Amino acid sequence: EVQLVESGGGLVQPGGSLKLSCAASGFTFSGSAMHWVRQASGKGLEWVGRIRSKANSYATAYAASVKGRFTISRDDSKNTAYLQMNSLKTEDTAVYYCTRPYFYSGSYPFDYWGQGTLVTVSS
Amino acid sequence: DIQMTQSPSSLSASVGDRVTITCRASQSISSYLNWYQQKPGKAPKLLIYAASSLQSGVPSRFSGSGSGTDFTLTISSLQPEDFATYYCQQSYSTPRSFGQGTKLEIK
Repeated sequence: EVQLVESGGGLVQPGGSLKLSCAASGFTFSGSAMHWVRQASGKGLEWVGRIRSKANSYATAYAASVKGRFTISRDDSKNTAYLQMNSLKTEDTAVYYCTRPYFYSGSYPFDYWGQGTLVTVSS
Repeated sequence: DIQMTQSPSSLSASVGDRVTITCRASQSISSYLNWYQQKPGKAPKLLIYAASSLQSGVPSRFSGSGSGTDFTLTISSLQPEDFATYYCQQSYSTPRSFGQGTKLEIK
């Protein structure tokens, strides 16, 4: 059974840093890209970024709203993806989900999601 | 970047109704369009991928259609458990993008 479990959320002051983890199981993690998606309270889903597999050079991409502040990494030996968040702003307050894209009929929908971890940026 | 626009933003309907939600992409995305259902406090759930393919385990009352820039999600006969928020999402290019959501409420 595929499982994604996020951890590391919490309360942080503006300008601070936080590192989220996404522990994966039930599939070949090393062969899969991993994405992060966030959702502010009462708002829609916002794509944050992704990291590809080793076969794709661990390539990363980010939303414009977080580029230069957030970094996605992975440790395939631990089946874990990470989201390092620096220079946090109040507008980064959200539930953060990790999710897996899976190849279906030429498309890459997000077929499994974690339960989410809440990040609150406030003084 | 590709912008996704859903309509309507909210919708009131009754059990048994047929409901259609529309999603429009700012440029052609072929059939790389996915639909998700989200209930309060829960992670999104994949319903439809590649515009019209039903994800395993999803009831057949859900269907999707479209290609290029215009897409629809149809629920043929609303059930009580279908009242939720629905999102479209393009997987054609990076950055990935979602529609703003359609909240389906009980009339």
